[in-house]
Amino acid sequence: QKEVEQDPGPLSVPEGAIVSLNCTYSNSAFQYFMWYRQYSRKGPELLMYTYSSGNKEDGRFTAQVDKSSKYISLFIRDSQPSDSATYLCAWTDTQGGSEKLVFGKGTKLTVNP
Amino acid sequence: EAQVTQNPRYLITVTGKKLTVTCSQNMNHEYMSWYRQDPGLGLRQIYYSMNVEVTDKGDVPEGYKVSRKEKRNFPLILESPSPNQTSLYFCASSFSTSGSKQYFGPGTRLTVL
Repeated sequence: QKEVEQDPGPLSVPEGAIVSLNCTYSNSAFQYFMWYRQYSRKGPELLMYTYSSGNKEDGRFTAQVDKSSKYISLFIRDSQPSDSATYLCAWTDTQGGSEKLVFGKGTKLTVNP
Repeated sequence: EAQVTQNPRYLITVTGKKLTVTCSQNMNHEYMSWYRQDPGLGLRQIYYSMNVEVTDKGDVPEGYKVSRKEKRNFPLILESPSPNQTSLYFCASSFSTSGSKQYFGPGTRLTVL
């Protein structure tokens, strides 16, 4: 089983839609959970991070973590064309004293005006 | 301005010709890392460094070397590049990985013929 599974997409939605992006993981050593956004021809940028189960809200974005079920989700409310990008879930793997970042493969989102 | 810079941004080379991709950050970050991004495979960590003179392998270290002699610089060295190292490379830095924001560079697109 792969360590990280992310909904592959691509996803195309109309402006104003609610978007749900999801990742599951198998490694219990994963601790900190993050969502990155990557625009075309740019490096990823951090959107949100959390380390506990539950919801974390930031404007139109909500990150949801369920450690018992090993999944994280990102919800985007009132989606805008400027949200069109690839979204990457990520975790820190702290096994053996290391601090590796593990990324999902990304979900490409297009928000149509 | 806080930033991570990479050079060169684009590079076309031939098999076996040693090359170095430089990475520099101006934020006094301790943690730096290199990733490669390939279609269908996502973002994979090559090497990371938790501080000066401290480096460790990521998920795909074969064929690469790194060094961390100064806090701000973290060059990626390909001693004998091969075509399967054709990829988009990103350098990133942060204070740590534990919930800390990673700043990514603009990327280096490498083609090995």
